[in-house]
Amino acid sequence: NAGVMQNPRHLVRRRGQEARLRCSPVKGHSHVYWYRQLPEEGLKFMVYLQKENIIDESGMPKERFSAEFPKEGPSILRIQQVVRGDSAAYFCASSLGDRDYGYTFGSGTRLTVV
Amino acid sequence: RKEVEQDPGPFNVPEGATVAFNCTYSNSASQSFFWYRQDCRKEPKLLMSVYSSGNEDGRFTAQLNRASQYISLLIRDSKLSDSATYLCVVNGAGGGNKLTFGTGTQLKVEL
Repeated sequence: NAGVMQNPRHLVRRRGQEARLRCSPVKGHSHVYWYRQLPEEGLKFMVYLQKENIIDESGMPKERFSAEFPKEGPSILRIQQVVRGDSAAYFCASSLGDRDYGYTFGSGTRLTVV
Repeated sequence: RKEVEQDPGPFNVPEGATVAFNCTYSNSASQSFFWYRQDCRKEPKLLMSVYSSGNEDGRFTAQLNRASQYISLLIRDSKLSDSATYLCVVNGAGGGNKLTFGTGTQLKVEL
C-alpha cells in the first residue's frame, strides 16, 4: 500500500502522559500536514511541514504540542502532558506540494485521554 | 465570518433523488477548490476538484463561482452508498498553501 501510513490507529493515554503520533507520507511526497478532528466537529489545520522544516504552524496550540519531519523517518506529532481535551482523531496528509492537487490522508490516530 | 462555510444538514433524501450542496469561502485570493467525502470515523477522501468551468464525474457535478466565492456539488440519482459527510475544501482560504475544510454537510440517502 503506497498510501499515507499512520500509527498507532488507536492510542490511550492517562492525563499527564506523552502521546507520540507517527505518519509516513506517500512515497515521493515531501509535504506533510497534520489535522485534528474533535468529536462532531470539522477538521482543523495544525501544522504543515516539509523535510526538516516547519512551514506553517499557525494551527498548533502554543504549549505542549510539537511536530517534526526529519530527513529520515516518519513525521512525528508529539503531545506532552495530555489532557482530556486532547482526545480527538489526528489525521496526517501528504502531497507533492502542488496547489492544484488535493492531499492524501492517512487513516488517522484516535487519541483517548483517560 | 468562517473561512469556509457549509450548511451542516443533515440532508435526508430518498434513493434516486438529486441533491445539491453549497459552500462559500471568505478569502478571494484562494487558489484551488475541492470536495472531499468523509465516512463515519474514517479519513477524508478526495471526491473531485472544482473548476470555474464546472466539472462532472459520473453522477457528480461541481461548480465554482469566483465572483460570488461560492462552490457547489450536485449529486444525481442518489445511492444509499452516497450517505456520508461532504466536505468543502479550499486551498489558501486561511492564507498560505494549506487546505481549509468546511465543517461538512451530512447526507443520508434512504430507501
